[in-house]
Amino acid sequence: AIQLTQSPSSLSASVGDRVTIACRASQGISRTLAWYQQKSGKGPKLLISDASTLEAGVPPRISGSGSGTDFTLTISDLQPDDFATYFCQQYSTFPLTFGGGTRLEIK
Amino acid sequence: QVQLQESGPGLVRPSGTLSLTCAVSGVSISSSNWWGWVRQPPGKGLESIGQIWHSGTTNYNPSLESRVSISVDKSKNEFSLQLNSVTAADTAVYYCAKGPYGGDEFFQHWGQGTLVTVSS
Repeated sequence: AIQLTQSPSSLSASVGDRVTIACRASQGISRTLAWYQQKSGKGPKLLISDASTLEAGVPPRISGSGSGTDFTLTISDLQPDDFATYFCQQYSTFPLTFGGGTRLEIK
Repeated sequence: QVQLQESGPGLVRPSGTLSLTCAVSGVSISSSNWWGWVRQPPGKGLESIGQIWHSGTTNYNPSLESRVSISVDKSKNEFSLQLNSVTAADTAVYYCAKGPYGGDEFFQHWGQGTLVTVSS
Protein backbone atom coordinates (compact mmCIF):
# COMPACT_ATOMS: atom_id res chain seq x y z
CA ALA A 1 0.00 0.00 0.00
CA ILE A 2 1.14 3.56 -0.69
CA GLN A 3 2.12 5.36 2.49
CA LEU A 4 1.48 9.08 2.93
CA THR A 5 3.62 11.01 5.40
CA GLN A 6 2.33 14.36 6.54
CA SER A 7 4.44 17.04 8.18
CA PRO A 8 4.32 18.61 10.60
CA SER A 9 1.99 16.51 12.76
CA SER A 10 0.92 19.69 14.53
CA LEU A 11 1.56 23.39 14.27
CA SER A 12 0.54 26.58 15.99
CA ALA A 13 -0.28 29.75 14.12
CA SER A 14 -2.11 33.03 14.55
CA VAL A 15 -5.09 34.51 12.74
CA GLY A 16 -3.80 36.17 9.58
CA ASP A 17 -0.76 33.87 9.22
CA ARG A 18 0.11 31.73 6.22
CA VAL A 19 0.79 28.03 6.82
CA THR A 20 1.94 25.13 4.66
CA ILE A 21 1.35 21.44 5.28
CA ALA A 22 3.33 18.81 3.41
CA CYS A 23 2.29 15.34 2.26
CA ARG A 24 4.84 12.91 0.82
CA ALA A 25 3.87 9.67 -0.94
CA SER A 26 6.01 6.52 -0.76
CA GLN A 27 5.78 6.23 -4.55
CA GLY A 28 4.64 8.44 -7.40
CA ILE A 29 0.90 9.08 -7.57
CA SER A 30 0.77 11.69 -10.36
CA ARG A 31 -1.78 14.25 -9.10
CA THR A 32 -4.28 11.85 -7.55
CA LEU A 33 -4.29 13.49 -4.13
CA ALA A 34 -7.08 15.02 -2.07
CA TRP A 35 -7.04 17.19 1.05
CA TYR A 36 -9.64 17.20 3.81
CA GLN A 37 -10.39 19.35 6.84
CA GLN A 38 -11.79 17.72 9.96
CA LYS A 39 -13.20 19.44 13.02
CA SER A 40 -13.73 17.75 16.34
CA GLY A 41 -16.71 15.39 16.35
CA LYS A 42 -17.49 15.82 12.66
CA GLY A 43 -16.82 14.01 9.43
CA PRO A 44 -14.03 15.28 7.18
CA LYS A 45 -14.80 17.92 4.57
CA LEU A 46 -13.27 17.72 1.10
CA LEU A 47 -11.17 20.79 0.29
CA ILE A 48 -9.11 19.86 -2.76
CA SER A 49 -8.96 17.04 -5.31
CA ASP A 50 -6.49 16.30 -8.11
CA ALA A 51 -3.82 18.00 -5.98
CA SER A 52 -4.99 21.53 -6.74
CA THR A 53 -8.69 21.62 -7.71
CA LEU A 54 -10.67 23.53 -5.12
CA GLU A 55 -14.01 22.05 -4.10
CA ALA A 56 -17.01 24.36 -4.60
CA GLY A 57 -17.42 26.76 -1.70
CA VAL A 58 -13.84 26.47 -0.44
CA PRO A 59 -12.24 29.93 -0.20
CA PRO A 60 -9.40 30.68 -2.67
CA ARG A 61 -6.99 31.49 0.16
CA ILE A 62 -6.72 27.69 0.47
CA SER A 63 -4.59 26.12 -2.26
CA GLY A 64 -2.87 22.86 -3.12
CA SER A 65 0.10 22.02 -5.28
CA GLY A 66 2.45 19.22 -6.20
CA SER A 67 2.66 16.06 -8.25
CA GLY A 68 4.47 12.75 -8.13
CA THR A 69 5.49 12.24 -4.51
CA ASP A 70 5.49 15.71 -2.95
CA PHE A 71 2.41 17.82 -2.25
CA THR A 72 1.54 20.87 -0.18
CA LEU A 73 -1.57 22.47 1.23
CA THR A 74 -1.27 26.20 1.84
CA ILE A 75 -3.70 28.32 3.82
CA SER A 76 -3.22 32.09 3.64
CA ASP A 77 -4.72 34.71 5.94
CA LEU A 78 -5.72 32.13 8.56
CA GLN A 79 -9.22 32.58 9.90
CA PRO A 80 -10.63 31.20 13.19
CA ASP A 81 -12.65 28.65 11.19
CA ASP A 82 -9.43 27.17 9.76
CA PHE A 83 -8.15 25.74 13.03
CA ALA A 84 -8.77 22.03 12.59
CA THR A 85 -7.01 18.82 11.55
CA TYR A 86 -6.03 18.29 7.90
CA PHE A 87 -5.55 14.97 6.09
CA CYS A 88 -4.24 14.07 2.66
CA GLN A 89 -5.48 10.99 0.75
CA GLN A 90 -4.16 9.26 -2.37
CA TYR A 91 -6.43 7.63 -4.92
CA SER A 92 -3.83 6.47 -7.42
CA THR A 93 -3.67 2.89 -6.21
CA PHE A 94 -5.94 0.64 -4.19
CA PRO A 95 -6.16 0.48 -1.20
CA LEU A 96 -6.96 4.15 -0.73
CA THR A 97 -4.75 5.56 2.00
CA PHE A 98 -4.61 8.67 4.17
CA GLY A 99 -1.84 10.67 5.77
CA GLY A 100 -1.55 10.74 9.55
CA GLY A 101 -3.01 14.22 9.84
CA THR A 102 -1.81 17.70 10.79
CA ARG A 103 -3.42 19.47 13.71
CA LEU A 104 -3.52 23.24 13.24
CA GLU A 105 -3.91 25.10 16.53
CA ILE A 106 -4.29 28.72 17.48
CA LYS A 107 -1.12 30.23 18.92
CA GLN B 1 -28.02 18.83 -0.85
CA VAL B 2 -26.43 15.44 -0.29
CA GLN B 3 -26.71 14.15 3.28
CA LEU B 4 -25.43 10.91 4.74
CA GLN B 5 -26.39 9.54 8.16
CA GLU B 6 -24.88 6.47 9.80
CA SER B 7 -26.86 4.33 12.22
CA GLY B 8 -26.35 1.11 14.14
CA PRO B 9 -25.41 -0.35 17.53
CA GLY B 10 -22.81 1.61 19.46
CA LEU B 11 -21.59 -1.48 21.30
CA VAL B 12 -20.62 -4.82 19.81
CA ARG B 13 -19.31 -7.86 21.67
CA PRO B 14 -15.91 -9.32 20.74
CA SER B 15 -16.18 -11.99 18.01
CA GLY B 16 -19.57 -10.54 17.04
CA THR B 17 -20.67 -8.73 13.89
CA LEU B 18 -20.65 -4.97 13.44
CA SER B 19 -23.56 -3.82 11.26
CA LEU B 20 -24.07 -0.23 10.18
CA THR B 21 -26.42 1.48 7.74
CA CYS B 22 -25.97 4.75 5.89
CA ALA B 23 -29.16 6.58 4.96
CA VAL B 24 -28.75 8.78 1.89
CA SER B 25 -30.86 11.86 1.22
CA GLY B 26 -30.76 14.58 -1.40
CA VAL B 27 -29.67 12.21 -4.16
CA SER B 28 -30.66 8.81 -5.49
CA ILE B 29 -28.25 6.10 -4.47
CA SER B 30 -28.45 4.83 -8.04
CA SER B 31 -27.09 8.09 -9.41
CA SER B 32 -23.63 8.00 -7.89
CA ASN B 33 -20.63 6.04 -9.12
CA TRP B 34 -19.71 4.64 -5.73
CA TRP B 35 -20.34 4.66 -2.00
CA GLY B 36 -17.89 3.76 0.73
CA TRP B 37 -16.94 3.40 4.37
CA VAL B 38 -13.99 4.85 6.30
CA ARG B 39 -13.12 4.41 9.97
CA GLN B 40 -11.08 6.31 12.52
CA PRO B 41 -9.92 4.73 15.80
CA PRO B 42 -10.07 7.16 18.74
CA GLY B 43 -7.29 9.72 18.47
CA LYS B 44 -5.89 8.15 15.30
CA GLY B 45 -5.95 8.60 11.55
CA LEU B 46 -8.36 7.52 8.83
CA GLU B 47 -8.56 4.06 7.26
CA SER B 48 -10.50 3.22 4.13
CA ILE B 49 -12.66 0.10 4.61
CA GLY B 50 -14.10 -0.36 1.14
CA GLN B 51 -16.43 0.79 -1.61
CA ILE B 52 -19.38 -0.43 -3.63
CA TRP B 53 -19.73 0.75 -7.20
CA HIS B 54 -22.88 1.46 -9.19
CA SER B 55 -22.33 -1.87 -10.97
CA GLY B 56 -22.41 -3.72 -7.66
CA THR B 57 -18.67 -4.37 -7.74
CA THR B 58 -16.97 -4.05 -4.36
CA ASN B 59 -13.41 -3.15 -3.38
CA TYR B 60 -12.26 -3.91 0.14
CA ASN B 61 -9.10 -2.92 1.98
CA PRO B 62 -6.92 -6.07 1.96
CA SER B 63 -6.39 -5.65 5.71
CA LEU B 64 -10.13 -6.23 6.26
CA GLU B 65 -11.19 -8.13 3.15
CA SER B 66 -11.78 -11.48 4.83
CA ARG B 67 -14.24 -9.96 7.33
CA VAL B 68 -16.07 -7.15 5.52
CA SER B 69 -19.09 -6.82 3.27
CA ILE B 70 -20.75 -3.72 1.77
CA SER B 71 -24.17 -3.78 0.13
CA VAL B 72 -26.76 -1.39 -1.29
CA ASP B 73 -30.53 -1.33 -0.81
CA LYS B 74 -31.86 0.83 -3.64
CA SER B 75 -35.46 0.59 -2.42
CA LYS B 76 -34.47 2.29 0.84
CA ASN B 77 -31.82 4.58 -0.67
CA GLU B 78 -29.24 3.29 1.78
CA PHE B 79 -26.12 1.16 1.93
CA SER B 80 -24.67 -1.02 4.65
CA LEU B 81 -21.48 -2.30 6.21
CA GLN B 82 -20.93 -5.63 7.92
CA LEU B 83 -17.69 -6.49 9.71
CA ASN B 84 -17.39 -9.96 11.19
CA SER B 85 -15.31 -11.40 14.03
CA VAL B 86 -14.65 -8.01 15.59
CA THR B 87 -12.03 -7.32 18.26
CA ALA B 88 -11.15 -4.28 20.36
CA ALA B 89 -8.98 -3.11 17.45
CA ASP B 90 -12.18 -2.47 15.48
CA THR B 91 -13.32 0.18 17.96
CA ALA B 92 -13.58 3.36 15.92
CA VAL B 93 -15.78 6.10 14.54
CA TYR B 94 -17.24 4.75 11.30
CA TYR B 95 -18.05 7.15 8.46
CA CYS B 96 -20.05 6.53 5.31
CA ALA B 97 -19.11 8.55 2.28
CA LYS B 98 -19.98 9.26 -1.35
CA GLY B 99 -17.62 9.46 -4.29
CA PRO B 100 -17.80 12.12 -7.00
CA TYR B 101 -19.82 11.64 -10.18
CA GLY B 102 -16.64 11.37 -12.21
CA GLY B 103 -15.69 8.12 -10.53
CA ASP B 104 -12.41 9.25 -9.01
CA GLU B 105 -11.79 7.68 -5.66
CA PHE B 106 -11.78 10.62 -3.31
CA PHE B 107 -14.56 11.12 -0.78
CA GLN B 108 -16.73 14.05 -1.79
CA HIS B 109 -19.43 13.84 0.88
CA TRP B 110 -19.23 12.38 4.38
CA GLY B 111 -21.62 11.45 7.17
CA GLN B 112 -21.14 12.71 10.73
CA GLY B 113 -19.79 9.36 11.85
CA THR B 114 -20.90 6.90 14.51
CA LEU B 115 -18.75 5.50 17.31
CA VAL B 116 -18.72 1.73 17.61
CA THR B 117 -17.08 0.23 20.68
CA VAL B 118 -16.10 -3.44 20.78
CA SER B 119 -16.22 -4.61 24.37
CA SER B 120 -17.68 -7.32 26.51
